[in-house]
Amino acid sequence: GDSVTQMEGPVTLSEEAFLTINCTYTATGYPSLFWYVQYPGEGLQLLLKATKADDKGSNKGFEATYRKETTSFHLEKGSVQVSDSAVYFCALSWGGGTNAGKSTFGDGTTLTVKP
Amino acid sequence: DTGVSQDPRHKITKRGQNVTFRCDPISEHNRLYWYRQTLGQGPEFLTYFQNEAQLEKSRLLSDRFSAERPKGSFSTLEIQRTEQGDSAMYLCASSRERTEAFFGQGTRLTVV
Repeated sequence: GDSVTQMEGPVTLSEEAFLTINCTYTATGYPSLFWYVQYPGEGLQLLLKATKADDKGSNKGFEATYRKETTSFHLEKGSVQVSDSAVYFCALSWGGGTNAGKSTFGDGTTLTVKP
Repeated sequence: DTGVSQDPRHKITKRGQNVTFRCDPISEHNRLYWYRQTLGQGPEFLTYFQNEAQLEKSRLLSDRFSAERPKGSFSTLEIQRTEQGDSAMYLCASSRERTEAFFGQGTRLTVV
């Protein structure tokens, strides 16, 4: 079945540092890929998405590129802020068929940004 | 549109009691999903509805769990005879066909 593997955390960075959180997936075919962010005690918020190979999703300074050759969707941000401290989840889902919208998630990576 | 709404946000119950959670999806979304998230893990799929039809249930959904979406709008998730292992965050999400899911803020269940 489908699976998503994320870089283990926690990750601790200083403000304005560069962020990379690695994500790779296993699936038959080409799913849509997502990054979600979860703040303490809250649900998941969609951060960005990419629906086909070589697409780049971006939002709030975060970026991720859908790489089908390496089955990866690594999250990057050039300069993190304290307010970026949260748990980040990589996920995949299918655009059509019976599994459409049903997502498979990684285990999450906790990011802490220190002033 | 206020997004996906879940109620209650927190529930503490004694082992053996029944609990029911409610989810109100985004109004034009015909698909609704329930996930369970335990500490330090990503959400795990439980079940999903297209309109009022429950199309898939995970093996995680034991006989003590039941979900309904009677009119294709809001949904309820009931857990009977709760166990300590049921303690988790229960997340609801909704989507249109072929689009990404939007999540509610979740219901945190603690079984004591």
